[in-house]
Amino acid sequence: DAMVIQNPRYQVTQFGKPVTLSCSQTLNHNVMYWYQQKSSQAPKLLFHYYDKDFNNEADTPDNFQSRRPNTSFCFLDIRSPGLGDAAMYLCATSRRAGGATTDTQYFGPGTRLTVL
Amino acid sequence: AQSVTQLGSHVSVSEGALVLLRCNYSSSVPPYLFWYVQYPNQGLQLLLKYTSAATLVKGINGFEAEFKKSETSFHLTKPSAHMSDAAEYFCAVSVNAGNMLTFGGGTRLMVKP
Repeated sequence: DAMVIQNPRYQVTQFGKPVTLSCSQTLNHNVMYWYQQKSSQAPKLLFHYYDKDFNNEADTPDNFQSRRPNTSFCFLDIRSPGLGDAAMYLCATSRRAGGATTDTQYFGPGTRLTVL
Repeated sequence: AQSVTQLGSHVSVSEGALVLLRCNYSSSVPPYLFWYVQYPNQGLQLLLKYTSAATLVKGINGFEAEFKKSETSFHLTKPSAHMSDAAEYFCAVSVNAGNMLTFGGGTRLMVKP
């Protein structure tokens, strides 16, 4: 089945120790998103890639970076995690066609990050 | 800019009772509307979406939602709640400018035996 996969599902890191979260997809979608979701809150968009074009949300901290080496993979790098970065990180994908259309975002199962 | 309001951060129903989760949106252009469900420690799963076709949209797991432009609403309903419906539900809106979603605050549905 076509899907969005996130690894690992649970990640524990130490304060200030860089960490990388991984997302892969078999849907061949051209857009990939990273969201941060804190407890009892809605997901908050950090950034997205439209093909190779990176789009950062205005309020995303510089501590968060992303890489998309190819269509299938996208990584979230947190350079120096703080206690406030503990959250669920969700990857999503969609297919953006030309013109005034919108398509559905499909989410992965998420990675829960704990910062000690 | 668009926005979504979900009335009631927590809703509790008895098993077998009607489920009604409220969602109101604000959008300057015709919106696309979505309902997602999130089980504990899981990602978001699409329940249903409205894309300007039929105003009554049927989704998975027996859920449906009706788009009412005059009320700017897209409430989610299910005739008979099941214990497995207990989860967090998010309403979201998107407009034509790319596929960006704006989420509501979420509603936690609890189902009592």
